[in-house]
Amino acid sequence: GNSVTQMEGPVTLSEEAFLTINCTYTATGYPSLFWYVQYPGEGLQLLLKATKADDKGSNKGFEATYRKETTSFHLEKGSVQVSDSAVYFCALIPSGNTGKLIFGQGTTLQVKP
Amino acid sequence: DTGVSQNPRHKITKRGQNVTFRCDPISEHNRLYWYRQTLGQGPEFLTYFQNEAQLEKSRLLSDRFSAERPKGSFSTLEIQRTEQGDSAMYLCASPAPGTGGYNEQFFGPGTRLTVL
Repeated sequence: GNSVTQMEGPVTLSEEAFLTINCTYTATGYPSLFWYVQYPGEGLQLLLKATKADDKGSNKGFEATYRKETTSFHLEKGSVQVSDSAVYFCALIPSGNTGKLIFGQGTTLQVKP
Repeated sequence: DTGVSQNPRHKITKRGQNVTFRCDPISEHNRLYWYRQTLGQGPEFLTYFQNEAQLEKSRLLSDRFSAERPKGSFSTLEIQRTEQGDSAMYLCASPAPGTGGYNEQFFGPGTRLTVL
């Protein structure tokens, strides 16, 4: 079946540190891949997406590259800020036409000044 | 603001009571999705509609759950005879205008249900 696995958190970093949150997936065909973010007290927001192999999604300094050979979609940011503290969810939409999202369990990021 | 609204935002109920939630999606899109998120977990798919037709239901949706989308606009999710295990955040999502259901989705703020 389709599934998403994220690295367990919490991840604690100092401001301006480099961030990597690992995400791997299991899916048949060519899923679309997403990162969503949930800031404290707020709803889920789409952070970035990639819809085909080797695509790079980017937004707000975050990047992730769709790697089909390793079935991965790791999230990276070169220099994190305190305001990046949130829960990050990796997700996929399987190929086909349902459009339903399948999420990982989430990774909490805490950035300290 | 994603343009997706949900009501109520919070609901506290006693075990055994019925509850109903409402979602108003981004207008002029024919798809609407419901998810459930428990504490410390990612959202899990429950069901989705295309216009007024309910096309898929997750195994998570027991017979105590029913969802409707009359006239293909707003949707309601009803839980009958609530159980403590139903306590969760119930999320509604709508694809971006002009996109297919297999593209990005915008989420509402959710309805947090607490069953005592």
